[in-house]
Amino acid sequence: SAVISQKPSRDICQRGTSLTIQCQVDSQVTMMFWYRQQPGQSLTLIATANQGSEATYESGFVIDKFPISRPNLTFSTLTVSNMSPEDSSIYLCSVVRTSGRAEEQYFGPGTRLTVT
Amino acid sequence: KNEVEQSPQNLTAQEGEFITINCSYSVGISALHWLQQHPGGGIVSLFMLSSGKKKHGRLIATINIQEKHSSLHITASHPRDSAVYICAVRTKAAGNKLTFGGGTRVLVKP
Repeated sequence: SAVISQKPSRDICQRGTSLTIQCQVDSQVTMMFWYRQQPGQSLTLIATANQGSEATYESGFVIDKFPISRPNLTFSTLTVSNMSPEDSSIYLCSVVRTSGRAEEQYFGPGTRLTVT
Repeated sequence: KNEVEQSPQNLTAQEGEFITINCSYSVGISALHWLQQHPGGGIVSLFMLSSGKKKHGRLIATINIQEKHSSLHITASHPRDSAVYICAVRTKAAGNKLTFGGGTRVLVKP
């Protein structure tokens, strides 16, 4: 399995500020994703973090609001910019690791963000 | 687009009872995941299935590719099994991205 850590685990932030969430994996992985889970909702994919190039964003998510970095194969950051209460969610990092023909997907512990 | 439906949305059981959660999807898939999310928010991957049946401890997951249906069973349920269980499917047409079901909230009472 892949061990994923996220920092911070939770935060309470003021409207208009920005928060950067870090995701660290214990081994090199093929793909890294960032998801959002709004209260009472299922997970929604924000973007695929691409190593050494710009992230690929899903419909409804833009780089100015959610800038993402992935400087290497084990680390990525997601920034939630100019936050509003609607951004209060759990943000999850997820990775896919390929082992032979098998692909396994793993999830981080999540970052619980509350915007006041 | 793949639609993923889970049932029931909520389930309450007494400790020791057998629990079944169902997942149906609309388009052929390359893999199906069962995930567990505890109140703190972190997600644990329980199973990844592409066919047949898998067992881990008291958990059993089955999938019927022809019927586009999967079930997650919990035998001898325990209060620590209380969590949200999420079905997610991966399809090549969607670039191998996951599509998630709405989750089943399970509460096991002592």
